[in-house]
Amino acid sequence: NAGVTQTPKFRVLKTGQSMTLLCAQDMNHEYMYWYRQDPGMGLRLIHYSVGEGTTAKGEVPDGYNVSRLKKQNFLLGLESAAPSQTSVYFCASRGRTGGPRRDTQYFGPGTRLTVL
Amino acid sequence: ELKVEQNPLFLSMQEGKNYTIYCNYSTTSDRLYWYRQDPGKSLESLFVLLSNGAVKQEGRLMASLDTKARLSTLHITAAVHDLSATYFCAVGLSNTGNQFYFGTGTSLTVIP
Repeated sequence: NAGVTQTPKFRVLKTGQSMTLLCAQDMNHEYMYWYRQDPGMGLRLIHYSVGEGTTAKGEVPDGYNVSRLKKQNFLLGLESAAPSQTSVYFCASRGRTGGPRRDTQYFGPGTRLTVL
Repeated sequence: ELKVEQNPLFLSMQEGKNYTIYCNYSTTSDRLYWYRQDPGKSLESLFVLLSNGAVKQEGRLMASLDTKARLSTLHITAAVHDLSATYFCAVGLSNTGNQFYFGTGTSLTVIP
């Protein structure tokens, strides 16, 4: 049981390049989330999904797109990277049923992205 | 826009002392979460508080929720060095599609 995994762990992009971050979870969770973490600002929600085939915007969605074609995977795309997108990106998942801790989020290890 | 404020932002305390971290939020919610993050690491769930008056304790940490005051506290008893980390509170809003809003975090350093 790997929990939540993220690929890649580190990446350096040039301005204007594109990339996709992959999040995978093996807990059969319905909800999945993408956050960015910047110094002094806590975590901010980019996009989230309440089930396979559905996505929704969070607090800071501009410049990002997402897809959830399979229940276990949630992809975050940057079509044209900008230096303002330099950040640490965390994926999280949450189940809808099952036990007293079902309501909490389980986080992946993070992806450190630098855009030059 | 929902705001979640934590204070203090930085906390340096001696081993053996007690202290409280406060988390205020700006809208009605009965779902409050506390997480811990070690430097360079991911977030680990500490407590899930799902009703007014909820109190949870684990080891030297105790969390409580007052939904009427829109306030949660994380109390540290007899701090030890291993508790040094950044602590985040987060508010869950089910009426916005299960979004979570995080505070800016409290960086705790316990000095031997």
